[in-house]
Amino acid sequence: DVKVTQSSRYLVKRTGEKVFLECVQDMDHENMFWYRQDPGLGLRLIYFSYDVKMKEKGDIPEGYSVSREKKERFSLILESASTNQTSMYLCASSLLGEAWLNGYTFGSGTRLTVV
Amino acid sequence: AQSVTQLDSQVPVFEEAPVELRCNYSSSVSVYLFWYVQYPNQGLQLLLKYLSGSTLVKGINGFEAEFNKSQTSFHLRKPSVHISDTAEYFCAVSIYGGSQGNLIFGKGTKLSVKP
Repeated sequence: DVKVTQSSRYLVKRTGEKVFLECVQDMDHENMFWYRQDPGLGLRLIYFSYDVKMKEKGDIPEGYSVSREKKERFSLILESASTNQTSMYLCASSLLGEAWLNGYTFGSGTRLTVV
Repeated sequence: AQSVTQLDSQVPVFEEAPVELRCNYSSSVSVYLFWYVQYPNQGLQLLLKYLSGSTLVKGINGFEAEFNKSQTSFHLRKPSVHISDTAEYFCAVSIYGGSQGNLIFGKGTKLSVKP
């Protein structure tokens, strides 16, 4: 089975800190995604990447950046964390052009609290 | 553009009762449909998917969904729920080849099963 691993389940950071959320997948998927999940708002796409060093903005990229230096790793960066970025962050992956067939595989999520 | 509407944000139900979680979509082209489940503090897991063929799709944990093209619906059902089915359920739609085949998610329905 494909595994998507998010390095931290829970994180507490201070306002203004630079925060790195890491995601690694082990099945050679081209596509990787970062979502944030908030009550009543569902999943909102922050960024996605379909290849190394490639990135596309999602619906809510403001305040975030991403890095994809290797195919298996997709990092989400909060340049200067703010309290309104307190949320559950979900990473997902899929084969290029095959999400319609197999959907996405999700990690377990990182619950980030910014204080 | 595709969109997904989950008509109920919360569904409370008693144990052993039947349940239906509603999902409607809009699209001008053929779609592929998914249901995901998210247990508390976990990532999303694929419950079932409709690609083609029989409109009644069976998934894990006794869930099934029926694709209705004329109603543009993909409702999820279970004849008898258990406490362990308490979770959030997400409906998603994809189209072949579109935007790397990205999934569009509904806002989720929280199923609460009471003893």
